[in-house]
Amino acid sequence: DIVMTQSPLSLPVTPGEPASISCRSSQSLLDSDGYHYLDWYLQKPGQSPQLLIYLASNRASGVPDRFRGTVSGTDFTLKISRVEADDLGVYYCMQARQTPLTFGGGTKLEIK
Amino acid sequence: EVQLVESGGGLVQPGGSLRLSCAASGFRFSDHYMDWVRQAPGKGLEWVARVKNKANFYSTQYAASVKDRFTISRDDSKNSLYLEMNRLKTEDTAVYYCARVKLVSAVSPGRPFDNWGQGTMVTVSS
Repeated sequence: DIVMTQSPLSLPVTPGEPASISCRSSQSLLDSDGYHYLDWYLQKPGQSPQLLIYLASNRASGVPDRFRGTVSGTDFTLKISRVEADDLGVYYCMQARQTPLTFGGGTKLEIK
Repeated sequence: EVQLVESGGGLVQPGGSLRLSCAASGFRFSDHYMDWVRQAPGKGLEWVARVKNKANFYSTQYAASVKDRFTISRDDSKNSLYLEMNRLKTEDTAVYYCARVKLVSAVSPGRPFDNWGQGTMVTVSS
């Protein structure tokens, strides 16, 4: 199984400041179609998860351009250019390259 | 508007069985792969199972932790997804989410979960 390792566990951020969450996969997520099958989800308090980024860097419909996904080999990063209060919650990366699909442990973004 | 509504959760004793349902609306259900994802209390997300569409022979895949105990199925005529859970263990206690996989196509790659239900709670306890 592909192991997804996320860091940090907790991320206190001041509104207006940038934030960065890292995710590393134990195997390459690069498919034969040339895409990295890595998705990012946000689970706001008391809600179901929602899709933010797919294929490592593609924003889902309705996701503001403050959110950006990058990839370097097996290292993935979710960057928020300017954190807003509505961004709080737990962020998860997930590999969709192969089953079993596996998630990172989550990063809790807290607003200072 | 896409809607996924889970039902069927509840309290069950270890070794018991439960059947979850997910009613889908607002999209062409038959085209999509559909999955179940669970979240134990205070824990992270865990993928449980997938059923593909008719074009892919309704093939199914399972997490090792549930294989041979859980069965995922779908009824495209009813726009419904199911999860039959047998020989339940205490560690199966979780919120179970129904999740839609983005339409799979050669011109639009990617297989993220683009829609999630609100979840149904399953508690396995004596």
